[in-house]
Amino acid sequence: ILNVEQSPQSLHVQEGDSTNFTCSFPSSNFYALHWYRWETAKSPEALFVMTLNGDEKKKGRISATLNTKEGYSYLYIKGSQPEDSATYLCAFDSSASKIIFGSGTRLSIRP
Amino acid sequence: DTGVSQDPRHKITKRGQNVTFRCDPISEHNRLYWYRQTLGQGPEFLTYFQNEAQLEKSRLLSDRFSAERPKGSFSTLEIQRTEQGDSAMYLCASSFEAAGANVLTFGAGSRLTVL
Repeated sequence: ILNVEQSPQSLHVQEGDSTNFTCSFPSSNFYALHWYRWETAKSPEALFVMTLNGDEKKKGRISATLNTKEGYSYLYIKGSQPEDSATYLCAFDSSASKIIFGSGTRLSIRP
Repeated sequence: DTGVSQDPRHKITKRGQNVTFRCDPISEHNRLYWYRQTLGQGPEFLTYFQNEAQLEKSRLLSDRFSAERPKGSFSTLEIQRTEQGDSAMYLCASSFEAAGANVLTFGAGSRLTVL
């Protein structure tokens, strides 16, 4: 059974602070690791897809790292803004077949 | 192309009735996925297609669920004899599977309420 775990489940951060959260996934049959951002009343939107151990991706104030050998990825948000409030989902893509999501980290930014 | 479309957006039905959801993916995408999402949880994998072939189906699904993708274009997800536990958001996503770039584009979802 493929198990993708995210922590913490929820996070409350002061505007301007930086934050990070974790996704852990199986270290075997790895193909890719995805991060999505899901705002209330909208569809999940892709942030990053990473495939290589040691990959680092960046989009504006958001960045992600990948360690496939130990099975974890970190998502970092620098200088949080109210518009960063959303649920952040990671997803494990095993050998180019089904894509399994974690339960997400719900991020709230306090003004 | 207007992205991934799902229909209906909302469905309220009585227990025991059958329901069908439709998903129209991005036209050049060869993969199509169905997920179910309940409050506080991430999307739960149901099934996926590569072109018209259904390659995998979750063992969590009972035989009441069936999905098709005729001709590798739109897909339907049917739930027979609905139960209250089927109440959820049903999400469809499509992708063009290429080396390391299987990025999912999601539809807005179909919310099912079983009374």
